[in-house]
Amino acid sequence: EVQLVESGGGLVQPGGSVRLSCAVSGFSVSTNYMNWVRRAPGKGLEWVSVIYSGGTTYYADSVKGRFTISRDDSENTLYLQMNSLRPDDTAVYYCARGVVAARPGEYFQHWGQGTLVTVSS
Amino acid sequence: SYVLTQPPSVSVAPGQTAKISCGGRNIGSKSVHWYQQRPGQAPVLVVYDDSDRPSGIPERFSGSNSGNTATLTISRVEAGDEADYYCQVWDSSYDRHYVFGTGTKVTVL
Repeated sequence: EVQLVESGGGLVQPGGSVRLSCAVSGFSVSTNYMNWVRRAPGKGLEWVSVIYSGGTTYYADSVKGRFTISRDDSENTLYLQMNSLRPDDTAVYYCARGVVAARPGEYFQHWGQGTLVTVSS
Repeated sequence: SYVLTQPPSVSVAPGQTAKISCGGRNIGSKSVHWYQQRPGQAPVLVVYDDSDRPSGIPERFSGSNSGNTATLTISRVEAGDEADYYCQVWDSSYDRHYVFGTGTKVTVL
């Protein structure tokens, strides 16, 4: 059975840092496209970052230079290091498994339950 | 960057049909995927590659994609279909970004 379980969220002060984890079972993070997606209160879904199986990473403009995606293949876990946090980073953060689509690109087949990050003083 | 536009809300009576549009420049050339998100829950994939359904998703959910508009159709709507729905594509024109639509709140009357 496929499971993705996020952890690490909580209350953080503006300018602070937090690291989110996503523990995966049922497939290997090393051979899949792993993503972080967020949803801010009252807003829609926003893609945040991806790490491809070969290790290449990409980021949304809104987090580039502040967030870093990584993975630990031995622990089968995905991470998101979030630095220089701002109030508009407040959101539920989901990890999601990407699957190659029929035309270029991927879709998100499996999702975790999410972890809430609140940036506030 | 690529923009996907959805109507903010759609209201439908039980047993009727709901249609949710997703507008984007030449979206018919892309694979479009749809997600359902109920309050307090994680998103769930309901249609991928324009019109395919994952296992476990009822046949009542169907999709189409042509020109500048993709559409998710929910037939014989049930109370449990009340949720937010998002379309999604991959934008190859700018640093390999994934784009979600603005989202549509489906209300079952």
